[in-house]
Amino acid sequence: SQQGEEDPQALSIQEGENATMNCSYKTSINNLQWYRQNSGRGLVHLILIRSNEREKHSGRLRVTLDTSKKSSSLLITASRAADTASYFCATSSVGGANNLFFGTGTRLTVIP
Amino acid sequence: DGGITQSPKYLFRKEGQNVTLSCEQNLNHDAMYWYRQDPGQGLRLIYYSQIVNDFQKGDIAEGYSVSREKKESFPLTVTSAQKNPTAFYLCASSIGGGRAGNEQFFGPGTRLTVL
Repeated sequence: SQQGEEDPQALSIQEGENATMNCSYKTSINNLQWYRQNSGRGLVHLILIRSNEREKHSGRLRVTLDTSKKSSSLLITASRAADTASYFCATSSVGGANNLFFGTGTRLTVIP
Repeated sequence: DGGITQSPKYLFRKEGQNVTLSCEQNLNHDAMYWYRQDPGQGLRLIYYSQIVNDFQKGDIAEGYSVSREKKESFPLTVTSAQKNPTAFYLCASSIGGGRAGNEQFFGPGTRLTVL
């Protein structure tokens, strides 16, 4: 399977703490994207990092990409209760169609 | 408002019946996608369409069918051949037009329950 895998599967932290979740994938990629899903809702795009980039920031989000290890991490700083959601990584493979392959997700709970 | 809509939000079906899930977008996107999500799982691709009048099978197309007669619409039919259709179905769209893996915009989803 080309699907990525997130680690950990579930993460519970106190409000104000940082949350880090990781994604590993199997194939060479064009880019890697992170999405957020609130319970019972559709996914919302958070950030895209291209294969030639190593780090990207967007507000309280920081994403890193290590193509030699085929892994990425998403850091959410100063977490809020409203950050409680599932987070998915998705990869676009080199030579593939314009499709994304989604990981299994990390369920983040931020305790107020 | 630009966006992607799915209807209905909840759908109940008796075993042996076909049912069609609606997906409409007014984002002028070329590409559209259907995913299935089971509890606690990631998304699995059912079908995708890069352009009007063309669509391709994804990883789990068996028991499903689609059409793409209009750019803004990509309905999914869950047929009686689908062995385990109870799931959350998500539709998405993207600019498409290449192999760059563009950002996808998702609808709110349809939860299908087979009784």
